[in-house]
Amino acid sequence: AQSVTQPDIHITVSEGASLELRCNYSYGATPYLFWYVQSPGQGLQLLLKYFSGDTLVQGIKGFEAEFKRSQSSFNLRKPSVHWSDAAEYFCAVGAVDSSYKLIFGSGTRLLVRP
Amino acid sequence: EAQVTQNPRYLITVTGKKLTVTCSQNMNHEYMSWYRQDPGLGLRQIYYSMNVEVTDKGDVPEGYKVSRKEKRNFPLILESPSPNQTSLYFCASSARQKWHEQYFGPGTRLTVT
Repeated sequence: AQSVTQPDIHITVSEGASLELRCNYSYGATPYLFWYVQSPGQGLQLLLKYFSGDTLVQGIKGFEAEFKRSQSSFNLRKPSVHWSDAAEYFCAVGAVDSSYKLIFGSGTRLLVRP
Repeated sequence: EAQVTQNPRYLITVTGKKLTVTCSQNMNHEYMSWYRQDPGLGLRQIYYSMNVEVTDKGDVPEGYKVSRKEKRNFPLILESPSPNQTSLYFCASSARQKWHEQYFGPGTRLTVT
């Protein structure tokens, strides 16, 4: 069965520090992979996506993610965190079959220390 | 402005009282979907629609109904709400060829007492 695991419920980093949010997926083939961000009181916004090709993908707001097939991972990174990055981050897998389903992880809440 | 709107944003109701949460998008998207978000569970899909008059169940459809009579609207109907349907609900839409790149509404927080 398809699944997405985000092992960290909360992460706290200092402003200016680097960030890595972990995501592991379970899927029978190479899936579509996504990171969404949810700011407080807002809906979800797509940060970046991976379909195929270059395993390092760039997104909005200075975020990037790396697909590692051998580890079934798609970790999100940012070299220098800003206070406005405080939000909840969701990793998602999109099925490449006809099920038209996005499967979300349980989310990681990022707190930024001044 | 391209957007997905939901109404109401907040709703408190009682068990068994039928309610409808509306969702509308102005991007001419074919695909629309409803999710519920619960702490520790992420987002789970309730129903989705690939086009007008075409709907299908997601992972947690029990207790919900949807309809897609117009392309822009995709209401979520709770015929007899129960407390376990207390949750944060999101509507999303996308173009058919890019169904996985979804635009989300602001959410509706529903409390059933």
